[in-house]
Amino acid sequence: GAVVSQHPSRVICKSGTSVKIECRSLDFQATTMFWYRQFPKKSLMLMATSNEGSKATYEQGVEKDKFLINHASLTLSTLTVTSAHPEDSSFYICSASDREGGNEQFFGPGTRLTVL
Amino acid sequence: AQRVTQPEKLLSVFKGAPVELKCNYSYSGSPELFWYVQYSRQRLQLLLRHISRESIKGFTADLNKGETSFHLKKPFAQEEDSAMYYCALENSGYALNFGKGTSLLVTP
Repeated sequence: GAVVSQHPSRVICKSGTSVKIECRSLDFQATTMFWYRQFPKKSLMLMATSNEGSKATYEQGVEKDKFLINHASLTLSTLTVTSAHPEDSSFYICSASDREGGNEQFFGPGTRLTVL
Repeated sequence: AQRVTQPEKLLSVFKGAPVELKCNYSYSGSPELFWYVQYSRQRLQLLLRHISRESIKGFTADLNKGETSFHLKKPFAQEEDSAMYYCALENSGYALNFGKGTSLLVTP
């Protein structure tokens, strides 16, 4: 099946710094990538949808200047958490889909971000 | 507004017993519904989707538009079915709205 990777798997940073998380589709071209955030004991919440070569579409309540998303190629999307604060600590998960293969989304393993 | 509700946070059954994980949704259009599963220390993966009407690992789910439900069922639970199960509704932008998830524990 299709494989999606995320890097890093865990990151700890100081408050005020920026953190970049990469999401890669390893064996298919992802026309669309999605970024989700999972709070402890809560469901995955969609943050944004990104299509290759165009600006990401953010969900209501998600600060686009805070969570910068870039989808520069068909195999890579990045999420940058700018000026991170402890409340940004969370589990961030990306998924990717190839519309031509149907609308199944393939999920990355997630990135655990801890902001001190 | 789109919403997916999974009323049970935790469901514990004995091996061999039937299991039903509940999912209700609200959506104004024609829904595309999915069940995703996350085994311990593994990534989220698709279990089944309503449109394909298939049975995966013995699980089935029927879309009931009258009751706006998409419950996941298996007649005989196995220990390896223990996992976190998420019901999800696809929106018009192909993104998924997830329920809060149900943790299934199958005990011997």
